[in-house]
Amino acid sequence: EVQLVESGGGLVQPGGSLRLSCAASGFTFNSYEMNWVRQAPGKGLEWVSYISSSGSTIYYADSVRGRFSISRDNAKNSLYLQMNSLRAEDTAVYYCARIRSSGRRFDYWGQGTLVTVSS
Amino acid sequence: DIQLTQSPSFLSASVGDRVTITCRASQGISSYLAWYQQKPGKAPKLLIYAASTLQSGVPSRFSGSGSGTEFTLTINSLQPEDCATYYCQQLNSYALFTFGPGTKVDIK
Repeated sequence: EVQLVESGGGLVQPGGSLRLSCAASGFTFNSYEMNWVRQAPGKGLEWVSYISSSGSTIYYADSVRGRFSISRDNAKNSLYLQMNSLRAEDTAVYYCARIRSSGRRFDYWGQGTLVTVSS
Repeated sequence: DIQLTQSPSFLSASVGDRVTITCRASQGISSYLAWYQQKPGKAPKLLIYAASTLQSGVPSRFSGSGSGTEFTLTINSLQPEDCATYYCQQLNSYALFTFGPGTKVDIK
């Protein structure tokens, strides 16, 4: 069974940093591209970042470029999101999601981890 | 950047009704469009990909159509468990996987 489990969320002050993790199981992690997607309270979905299966190709949304860094450790079946210079508008539930490249879709999602940026 | 719009933003329908949601892209995206269902407090669930392909395990009352810039999600015979928010997503550009703003579906 495919499982994605996020962790690392919490309360952080503006300007602070946080590192999110996503533990993957039930599939060959190093064969799949991965993403982070976030959802602010009461708002819609916002794609945040993409990483290829090898980690060699990375993309970011304009809203986080230069502040967030996506990475993966295929030996540990884990995806990460390093978030620096956090702002109140980064407050959201953060989901990791797997891309199925054939047919292009986000076919599995984690349950999400809440990040709250507040003083 | 490719922008997605959805209409309506909210709809209320009766059990058994046929419901249609439209998603429009600001430029052509071929058939690289997916639809997701999200219930409160839960992660999004993939319903349709490649504009019209039903994800495994999704009830056949859900269907998708369209290509280029205009797409539709149809729910035939709306059920109480279909109360949710529905999002379209374009996957034409790997550098920016845009989501639509969402359509909230309620039961009358």
